[in-house]
Amino acid sequence: NAGVTQTPKFQVLKTGQSMTLQCAQDMNHEYMSWYRQDPGMGLRLIHYSVGAGITDQGEVPNGYNVSRSTTEDFPLRLLSAAPSQTSVYFCASIGTSQHSYNEQFFGPGTRLTVL
Amino acid sequence: QQPVQSPQAVILREGEDAVINCSSSKALYSVHWYRQKHGEAPVFLMILLKGGEQKGHEKISASFNEKKQQSSLYLTASQLSYSGTYFCGTEQAGTALIFGKGTTLSVSS
Repeated sequence: NAGVTQTPKFQVLKTGQSMTLQCAQDMNHEYMSWYRQDPGMGLRLIHYSVGAGITDQGEVPNGYNVSRSTTEDFPLRLLSAAPSQTSVYFCASIGTSQHSYNEQFFGPGTRLTVL
Repeated sequence: QQPVQSPQAVILREGEDAVINCSSSKALYSVHWYRQKHGEAPVFLMILLKGGEQKGHEKISASFNEKKQQSSLYLTASQLSYSGTYFCGTEQAGTALIFGKGTTLSVSS
């Protein structure tokens, strides 16, 4: 299993540009999430999904869109990039069952710089 | 709402012990602990579930007080490899994990 994969690893955007950060997992996990990490702020939840076709907002959703058309993929779209969105973005997935909860797996991250 | 972690930073010598605390203002279903090395993704350490069940991969212990909505991570006989930033993630019913701001642990020889 590849686990959670993210592309690209690095990206530089100009203010106002749009782009999609890709995230995929091959563990058949139901839950997937996007976090951003900024110095001193920890990991802040942007959006999450509890299954295909279902998404919800997290702590800092403004400026980001998500969709979940398949179990495997959970892309994050920046509609009009702003310098405040310069950050490291982590995608994560977690599997749940009736009898146990599993650990959350993180992707390797995408380092985004908006000029 | 982000859980609150304390202390913000800890400096230890090898072999010393440390406790990292995590508290929430909301009722919790579970608490997760992760460690992150510089430039890497967070790595799972432990889950503490409501009702007392624990699940972890390393010889690190933790507690979860459901009534007080608090959890503590106990690092004993620290090693150089324990250095990093520790995050607690709290789970409320039906939502994703919300993480604290982290506690930076530095272990020196």
